[in-house]
Amino acid sequence: DAGITQSPRHKVTETGTPVTLRCHQTENHRYMYWYRQDPGHGLRLIHYSYGVKDTDKGEVSDGYSVSRSKTEDFLLTLESATSSQTSVYFCAISESRWGLAGVDTQYFGPGTRLTVL
Amino acid sequence: AQTVTQSQPEMSVQEAETVTLSCTYDTSENNYYLFWYKQPPSRQMILVIRQEAYKQQNATENRFSVNFQKAAKSFSLKISDSQLGDTAMYFCARLYSGAGSYQLTFGKGTKLSVIP
Repeated sequence: DAGITQSPRHKVTETGTPVTLRCHQTENHRYMYWYRQDPGHGLRLIHYSYGVKDTDKGEVSDGYSVSRSKTEDFLLTLESATSSQTSVYFCAISESRWGLAGVDTQYFGPGTRLTVL
Repeated sequence: AQTVTQSQPEMSVQEAETVTLSCTYDTSENNYYLFWYKQPPSRQMILVIRQEAYKQQNATENRFSVNFQKAAKSFSLKISDSQLGDTAMYFCARLYSGAGSYQLTFGKGTKLSVIP
């Protein structure tokens, strides 16, 4: 199994509060991703990173920011949480974003269940 | 939008039988990669199988195989000798490169139940 951990695994918070989720990897992979999973939507990309301090937006980035100060850590921040951000959040990593021999394959962390009341 | 469609929200299969999960996608590109991921009740996303679009040969991984029909934009997953541990949500996904962005797009999933 890829060495990916997420913290916290569960969090309940109130509308308007800031929330930070952490993803930590031990694989030294260059690419890291944040997805959210909602019933009826599958997984949707929020933001991704292609190196330290290099990030870009995904499909559903509004209301989220990210930071990557070290190769192994990728943080997702909800500046002011809303009930629509109640979801399960997954972090993923890959060696490359495109290539042969499966280097673009994304491996996922265990997920964080976030509830915004 | 680059979509991935899984038309079967739920399926069931008897233990030891074979089941096929369907997936179709749209694309204007010639080169891309396709994946099936499994998500058991533990919620962990687990890679099942990967297919490169330029390869005509269908990928196989033990009891899991795909039927990749490029012209029809179809990518179905066959599970042989189904086991209770195969009970899970299964997601089809496509990795494409568009306008410099490499994005993994998921279908909405098929919930598979293996019945003893």
